[in-house]
Amino acid sequence: DVKVTQSSRYLVKRTGEKVFLECVQDMDHENMFWYRQDPGLGLRLIYFSYDVKMKEKGDIPEGYSVSREKKERFSLILESASTNQTSMYLCASSLRWDTLGRNGGYTFGSGTRLTVV
Amino acid sequence: KQEVTQIPAALSVPEGENLVLNCSFTDSAIYNLQWFRQDPGKGLTSLLLIQSSQREQTSGRLNASLDKSSGRSTLYIAASQPGDSATYLCAVKTGANNLFFGTGTRLTVIP
Repeated sequence: DVKVTQSSRYLVKRTGEKVFLECVQDMDHENMFWYRQDPGLGLRLIYFSYDVKMKEKGDIPEGYSVSREKKERFSLILESASTNQTSMYLCASSLRWDTLGRNGGYTFGSGTRLTVV
Repeated sequence: KQEVTQIPAALSVPEGENLVLNCSFTDSAIYNLQWFRQDPGKGLTSLLLIQSSQREQTSGRLNASLDKSSGRSTLYIAASQPGDSATYLCAVKTGANNLFFGTGTRLTVIP
């Protein structure tokens, strides 16, 4: 079964810590994404990557960075965690084009609930 | 900017009923539309993907339709079960990496 795996389901970190959220997909997808989900705000795109070593800012990149050194792995980095980064973080991947030349659908991981205290 | 709305926001039905969830979007220039379900505290599970050239997709008890010209999609769930209780999200893709999510419908199926 193809999947997107997020390394942690729950994390508790202290303010000011550097935090790494890891995401791995086994579908050979070109595109990978990081979202955060908050009540009343829905899903918001933080960063995405359409190829190895490539990254693009999403709607709310401030306070975050990303790394994609290998096609299957996309890491989200909180350089100095703050309490307003307490949230559910969701990683997703998609094919750029499927075998029929159509845009690929998204596959999401199970999420990481991050609490910054 | 694309806006995606889902009605109703919440729905409770007795087990066994057929039900319809609605999704509307403002810009018909989409690549595809995807329906997801989300259980509390969990990630999103993809249910159905409809390409812009398609009218509907079916998977088991689920059927999703797409009317791009009117900016509407429906998710039909037949013979609902308590295990169908979850939040259902629709999302439209309008660019290479632009995915716009709806506000979600929280479904409760009462045994």
